[in-house]
Amino acid sequence: GAGVSQTPSNKVTEKGKYVELRCDPISGHTALYWYRQSLGQGPEFLIYFQGTGAADDSGLPNDRFFAVRPEGSVSTLKIQRTERGDSAVYLCASSLSTEETQYFGPGTRLLVL
Amino acid sequence: KQEVTQIPAALSVPEGENLVLNCSFTDSAIYNLQWFRQDPGKGLTSLLLIQSSQREQTSGRLNASLDKSSGRSTLYIAASQPGDSATYLCAVTPHTPLVFGKGTRLSVIA
Repeated sequence: GAGVSQTPSNKVTEKGKYVELRCDPISGHTALYWYRQSLGQGPEFLIYFQGTGAADDSGLPNDRFFAVRPEGSVSTLKIQRTERGDSAVYLCASSLSTEETQYFGPGTRLLVL
Repeated sequence: KQEVTQIPAALSVPEGENLVLNCSFTDSAIYNLQWFRQDPGKGLTSLLLIQSSQREQTSGRLNASLDKSSGRSTLYIAASQPGDSATYLCAVTPHTPLVFGKGTRLSVIA
């Protein structure tokens, strides 16, 4: 079946602009996670959803970052007033429940110039 | 705060060798531990998941062990192949989101 998909695969933007990154989880997966991976580092947790609600957003670096999952399926990560330090690969994962294996998408590579 | 360390950071071996990748974590109160593979420019592929009550898991040429009390896990790869070349990441679940190490970059030379 289809895995986790993320769009766009690459995004180049200018400092100060607003960006949206989309994640389509595996159908039926109730848990959805966002991670950020910088070069040479492991992924770092940003936020996770159980259904439509954000169960833990403690990893969001500041209030410029926001994520939604209005219907409990697709999620959008929104970054306002982008900064060069936001450049990274943004990974989305989903799982049947929080106790099950997380399946990752290919990521969105964000470059802020 | 949970921290995950992976040693070595990089490893190069000739084809056919058996090898061991190491992962250590600071807080033994984990729910499970997962090993992932990441190819350059790609997302993560789950290899093995070990529940905290388990000691090891096996899949093909891969065997992962977990010693929760000492905060350690190893990933054993038997009869390595050039196609095994990738970065291997270890991650633990202290509560729900994964906490990752920086990975071990493996090169298997034909």
